[in-house]
Amino acid sequence: EAEVAQSPRYKITEKSQAVAFWCDPISGHATLYWYRQILGQGPELLVQFQDESVVDDSQLPKDRFSAERLKGVDSTLKIQPAELGDSAMYLCASSLIRDSPLHFGNGTRLTVT
Amino acid sequence: AQSVTQLDSHVSVSEGTPVLLRCNYSSSYSPSLFWYVQHPNKGLQLLLKYTSAATLVKGINGFEAEFKKSETSFHLTKPSAHMSDAAEYFCVVIRMDSSYKLIFGSGTRLLVRP
Repeated sequence: EAEVAQSPRYKITEKSQAVAFWCDPISGHATLYWYRQILGQGPELLVQFQDESVVDDSQLPKDRFSAERLKGVDSTLKIQPAELGDSAMYLCASSLIRDSPLHFGNGTRLTVT
Repeated sequence: AQSVTQLDSHVSVSEGTPVLLRCNYSSSYSPSLFWYVQHPNKGLQLLLKYTSAATLVKGINGFEAEFKKSETSFHLTKPSAHMSDAAEYFCVVIRMDSSYKLIFGSGTRLLVRP
């Protein structure tokens, strides 16, 4: 079964540094999501793309976070500068169309020291 | 606004005994509800979904959930727990607007004792 690929699996960075995560959705999936999951909590949506367009980024801290999906395929989430509170699991998910089930990647666990 | 409340942060059962994970929802209209499972350091996997076709929904790995409108509940059950069921379980409601947003509960960690 096709999977959502994410890299890196783990990332340790010092605060004030820049960090980037990459996601490759299942081929043909038009909708792509980035979620943040703080330890002990459920995931929270950061940004949603429909093809290359941002549909919802209302919860994205835009002063330090940015996300792009330039060709409507893979996507990059960037944090600059990283803060201690950014330590979390960052999950990418994709779906064929907006209303179809989400398929999640295994996530990138970020630790900010 | 749509939301879900998972009533137990941790549930511990013995292998072979029934599992009950509780979820209450809040929605101003007929909701779409899901249960997802997350094994350690893994992404989330869809267990089952309710979209108003039938109140008793069967999912993967022997899990099922019953939608009860009168109780605003969507509890997840399994007749007999297996060691491999140990994981974090999330109840999810869909917010139907322009973004089709999943709203996750805080999760219930299931521990299965041998």
